[in-house]
Amino acid sequence: QQQVKQSPQSLIVQKGGISIINCAYENTAFDYFPWYQQFPGKGPALLIAIRPDVSEKKEGRFTISFNKSAKQFSLHIMDSQPGDSATYFCAATDSWGKLQFGAGTQVVVTP
Amino acid sequence: DGGITQSPKYLFRKEGQNVTLSCEQNLNHDAMYWYRQDPGQGLRLIYYSQIVNDFQKGDIAEGYSVSREKKESFPLTVTSAQKNPTAFYLCASTPRGFGANVLTFGAGSRLTVL
Repeated sequence: QQQVKQSPQSLIVQKGGISIINCAYENTAFDYFPWYQQFPGKGPALLIAIRPDVSEKKEGRFTISFNKSAKQFSLHIMDSQPGDSATYFCAATDSWGKLQFGAGTQVVVTP
Repeated sequence: DGGITQSPKYLFRKEGQNVTLSCEQNLNHDAMYWYRQDPGQGLRLIYYSQIVNDFQKGDIAEGYSVSREKKESFPLTVTSAQKNPTAFYLCASTPRGFGANVLTFGAGSRLTVL
């Protein structure tokens, strides 16, 4: 079964809006939470990552919020642009384990 | 430029045929991986190799085989035993195996069984 649950499956946001993708996990041994961005016909690429010792990490318009007690983390895309239209995957792993991916969220930003 | 090259980009196969997908990296990474991507299911690990001449099964290895004779190459064979082979296949690598290592992915190979 999927160890990282991701929602929504897809979302449509207007240019300038905020895109929010949520992920939840059960394994408390997970200590590294990356997000990957994938454009159509391409392989995924690391976008941003967080460890559970911080509650938030921001890189440009992309922010990860992390709630350790709830075992949830989310990606916020501020001021969404058409170029952000892609599929986003959350993932989780512990120090030595295989990366566990969420099911992915297809984001479409309309002009 | 360093990276991962996957070929072919598109492949069509008749039922009952084996096909081999190529993956070559010039990043000098020790570990290499094969993932399968299906809509709504994320990325699932097929096989991985942390060192030359050694590889392990991932979560969905049935119907697939791999080899790792050279550090830079990790080909995947989709055999006729794979019941539902139509998918997008991604090869990836990391400097070392697992943990908090950034996966570098290739551009993928799309296999369609006719």
